[in-house]
Amino acid sequence: ETGVTQSPTHLIKTRGQQVTLRCSSQSGHNTVSWYQQALGQGPQFIFQYYREEENGRGNFPPRFSGLQFPNYSSELNVNALELDDSALYLCASSLANGRADTQYFGPGTRLTVL
Amino acid sequence: DQQVKQNSPSLSVQEGRISILNCDYTNSMFDYFLWYKKYPAEGPTFLISISSIKDKNEDGRFTVFLNKSAKHLSLHIVPSQPGDSAVYFCAVRPAGGSNYKLTFGKGTLLTVNP
Repeated sequence: ETGVTQSPTHLIKTRGQQVTLRCSSQSGHNTVSWYQQALGQGPQFIFQYYREEENGRGNFPPRFSGLQFPNYSSELNVNALELDDSALYLCASSLANGRADTQYFGPGTRLTVL
Repeated sequence: DQQVKQNSPSLSVQEGRISILNCDYTNSMFDYFLWYKKYPAEGPTFLISISSIKDKNEDGRFTVFLNKSAKHLSLHIVPSQPGDSAVYFCAVRPAGGSNYKLTFGKGTLLTVNP
């Protein structure tokens, strides 16, 4: 059984660029959630995907978007990058209607915006 | 406006002693409370949780206490071990909300000294 994996590990972009982060779910999991963890802060919920559709969103602007693929892997896309987007981006996979404590996090992608 | 507050950024204890990590929340509509542990370069991992209908949950060395009237929860680790050194996040879920749309505190860095 493979865990949640994310790529790339680190990424440096400049303001105004676009970025795509990738997440592979734990085997058998069909729901993916994305979180942003800024320095010194706790993770903040961005959105969740289930059955390839967005299924809940936090307080993030539309330039944060996502995709979920038939194999349940997911992408997080951020357009028009801003300096404040610099953060650790975590994805977490789970089963739909599972318990909150059965959500498993990946190691994250560290995004730096210059 | 922070709905979940961990007011101690760091805590240092001696091996074998008790570690007490605290978390306060503002919204009485939260019904499920979780603690996560995070090591550097890894994603958060679930540690222990408690439902709002209980006031205590124990799992080995870890005990979570919930005081609903004070909107306060705490995590007790006894005896503390050097391997417990990590950042600890409390997280909450609103009643009727998605199991995975969690709100996290900023975290407390626990250092257990040998």
